[in-house]
Amino acid sequence: EPEVTQTPSHQVTQMGQEVILRCVPISNHLYFYWYRQILGQKVEFLVSFYNNEISEKSEIFDDQFSVERPDGSNFTLKIRSTKLEDSAMYFCASTPGLGLWAGELFFGEGSRLTVL
Amino acid sequence: EDQVTQSPEALRLQEGESSSLNCSYTVSGLRGLFWYRQDPGKGPEFLFTLYSAGEEKEKERLKATLTKKESFLHITAPKPEDSATYLCAVHLGGAQKLVFGQGTRLTINP
Repeated sequence: EPEVTQTPSHQVTQMGQEVILRCVPISNHLYFYWYRQILGQKVEFLVSFYNNEISEKSEIFDDQFSVERPDGSNFTLKIRSTKLEDSAMYFCASTPGLGLWAGELFFGEGSRLTVL
Repeated sequence: EDQVTQSPEALRLQEGESSSLNCSYTVSGLRGLFWYRQDPGKGPEFLFTLYSAGEEKEKERLKATLTKKESFLHITAPKPEDSATYLCAVHLGGAQKLVFGQGTRLTINP
């Protein structure tokens, strides 16, 4: 069964360092997303991406964050100058061409980011 | 403000003891209500999407229903492997994002 894959599964970094989290969405999906979940809290939307551009972003997704689809398969989230409060599980997700109107959103297993 | 609230926060059942989880929402322009299962340290696993009041969907021991203000996830004769956190999320009209509730942590004791 096709799945969304994420790397790394766990990354530890020092405050102020840059981090790149990588995702391979399900092939033939066209909408890509990043969500995050701080320990013990709700899953929160960060950004959606379609046709090589951001289609929507939350207030959390400030200038510290950026997304990119560098090739035909990868989708990345970059966090510049990490802060302690960026420690969370980051989930990549994808849907087919209709986006959420397709009625399905498939998540990866997540990348746990720990900022020290 | 759009809100999604799940209750109870935690539920402990004996194997075979049926129950229901609740997801209530106060949103405008609901396009769909999604249910997910999340195991510890894992990503949410898609279960169902419901679109209109009166709709029902089933998968194994789970059945999801939807009204104009809330959704229920009924679990019938649960087994220990059904232990997980169950999340509901709403898709609002015009948006490409889901708004999640805080989840119900379900524990099934053998």
